[in-house]
Amino acid sequence: DADVTQTPRNRITKTGKRIMLECSQTKGHDRMYWYRQDPGLGLRLIYYSFDVKDINKGEISDGYSVSRQAQAKFSLSLESAIPNQTALYFCATSEGAGGPYEQYFGPGTRLTVT
Amino acid sequence: DQQVKQNSPSLSVQEGRISILNCDYTNSMFDYFLWYKKYPAEGPTFLISISSIKDKNEDGRFTVFLNKSAKHLSLHIVPSQPGDSAVYFCAASFLHGSGNTGKLIFGQGTTLQVKP
Repeated sequence: DADVTQTPRNRITKTGKRIMLECSQTKGHDRMYWYRQDPGLGLRLIYYSFDVKDINKGEISDGYSVSRQAQAKFSLSLESAIPNQTALYFCATSEGAGGPYEQYFGPGTRLTVT
Repeated sequence: DQQVKQNSPSLSVQEGRISILNCDYTNSMFDYFLWYKKYPAEGPTFLISISSIKDKNEDGRFTVFLNKSAKHLSLHIVPSQPGDSAVYFCAASFLHGSGNTGKLIFGQGTTLQVKP
């Protein structure tokens, strides 16, 4: 079984709808991250959480919110989806303070906002 | 402001030859660098890393070189194989300092094609 899972894998939604992307991990890592990938822009950090009570904005958090329900679960919400949020979204995990800091990624969610 | 840059969107090499992927960074405080490989429909997977106290790290066919004075790192794949065809991302991070340790800043990615 995959260590980092994301649901759904694909989603098409309409402008203005609320949508939640979910991430679960079995690696026992404290830290979790949400990224989006756009062509030519690489991976950009949306939000990250160093533990259940510590949630921080990344470089492109506008229009997104997150919830860390447990050590193993980190959800990303789009409160009112817009077309330029069409992208590939990845969840990742890593060890806590002291590292190592390699991040382990889920398979991604392809989101299309029409 | 792009702190980590991969200026070559794509690279094509022949099987058996060397592939060299390049990455430049602007923040001299970065002290840990990583390379990730990504296949279509999969998440990125960790490939190799290097800390700023070293200038070379080798793992099998993969070697990462770091030139701190030039703020440049490169990934060498020797020999290249068709299965290496993927998108490669470099990333930079901080091992020390408050708040930012462990956060990765990614480059735009380079698509490598290895032809049989």
